[in-house]
Amino acid sequence: QVQLVQSGAEVKNPGASVKVSCKTSGYMFINYHISWVRQAPGQGLEWMGWISGYSGNTNYAPKFQGRVTMTIDTSTSTLDLRSLRSDDTAVYYCARGESSGRGLWFNPWGQGTLVTVSS
Amino acid sequence: DIVMTQSPDSLAVSLGERATINCKSSHSVLYSSNNKNFLAWYQQKPGQPPKLLIYWASTRASGVPDRFSGSGSGTDFTLTISSLQAEDVAVYYCQQYYDTPVTFGQGTKVEIK
Repeated sequence: QVQLVQSGAEVKNPGASVKVSCKTSGYMFINYHISWVRQAPGQGLEWMGWISGYSGNTNYAPKFQGRVTMTIDTSTSTLDLRSLRSDDTAVYYCARGESSGRGLWFNPWGQGTLVTVSS
Repeated sequence: DIVMTQSPDSLAVSLGERATINCKSSHSVLYSSNNKNFLAWYQQKPGQPPKLLIYWASTRASGVPDRFSGSGSGTDFTLTISSLQAEDVAVYYCQQYYDTPVTFGQGTKVEIK
């Protein structure tokens, strides 16, 4: 079955960077996108961007442009978020993106990775 | 950005009764070229990642029980749970994928009355 397995929880100081990985299995990686969505404690869902599993082309949300990099390697995607602030504390999810020809819907999702930013 | 607004923020429904969640977009998400609404619904239970329920506004994802249905077009959409079960207690989100940035509603919490 399709699975997305993420790396473990991280604790970072303000100003640092964090990398979260998402290892996929059970489907043809190049046929789909991988998207990253985060959820602050007790809050809703916030889309960060996506990367094509075929070309590696990316589409970042304007809010994160310049501070985020998404990469792929074989069947794994990695999110790199820099210059961390306390309000970056959140659970970060990867999700397989099903293309509509315009945007994506997400199915399935990884289990989530808690990133805590605190001094 | 397309703003997605859900109503209500929370609702309590008796077991076996109908639950209705509304989602309104600030811009139409109906694409004229294919006459499809670029809207999805997700269910998120506590401590779990979201799960896709509906895409194209009304197409159930694989394995989703048929008590879940989606309807609407343009800017106004509805998720209906026809007969609420205990396992349906969750937060439900709508999402537009008509344009980037992809955006979600704020969520609707469904509880048992």
